[in-house]
Amino acid sequence: DAKTTQPTSMDCAEGRAANLPCNHSTISGNEYVYWYRQIHSQGPQYIIHGLKNNETNEMASLIITEDRKSSTLILPHATLRDTAVYYCIVRRNFGNEKLTFGTGTRLTIIP
Amino acid sequence: GAVVSQHPSWVICKSGTSVKIECRSLDFQATTMFWYRQFPKQSLMLMATSNEGSKATYEQGVEKDKFLINHASLTLSTLTVTSAHPEDSSFYICSAHSSGEIMETQYFGPGTRLLVL
Repeated sequence: DAKTTQPTSMDCAEGRAANLPCNHSTISGNEYVYWYRQIHSQGPQYIIHGLKNNETNEMASLIITEDRKSSTLILPHATLRDTAVYYCIVRRNFGNEKLTFGTGTRLTIIP
Repeated sequence: GAVVSQHPSWVICKSGTSVKIECRSLDFQATTMFWYRQFPKQSLMLMATSNEGSKATYEQGVEKDKFLINHASLTLSTLTVTSAHPEDSSFYICSAHSSGEIMETQYFGPGTRLLVL
């Protein structure tokens, strides 16, 4: 699996947009970018994924650069409940491809 | 979204005993389930991949005779920690692979916290 690089930690004010960057410079053409988050003492929660186009769902937006070497997860209006560790993972989108978790970014939403 | 449950949510046992953890996909069929382990302040580490009706595939360094995995149906996989020792104390998390119409992804259970005394 291609490796990803994320900042260790970030802070964001409540109500503001949280922008979490991820570098994946060795991503292959058939690998997708997935984002999960893990709130303390819980299992990871799927957020969003994409291949090359920008994606948006009810939780977040995913912006992928044209060369696909980096991406940004955007939480448009962060709340205290968004405090978690966010994992950016690249993975082929078929079959039983496993997820390999890195260290992620610890996002703290500040009141 | 798809729901995955785990039981028990936490367990305390004596050293040398065996502990079974169940992982269920509640509203979808999962041909593949994954088992992870997470130590404090660390990331999730994949232990094994469990395919329904066949033997599990273990990651390097994970003892298959110690961590027994059974995936007898499309909605249930079990992990048994045999002869548990204090160093096996950890947060065990399962995920189930959903091959749905919209997307293919993994859904995670809430985790089981194991404490071996």
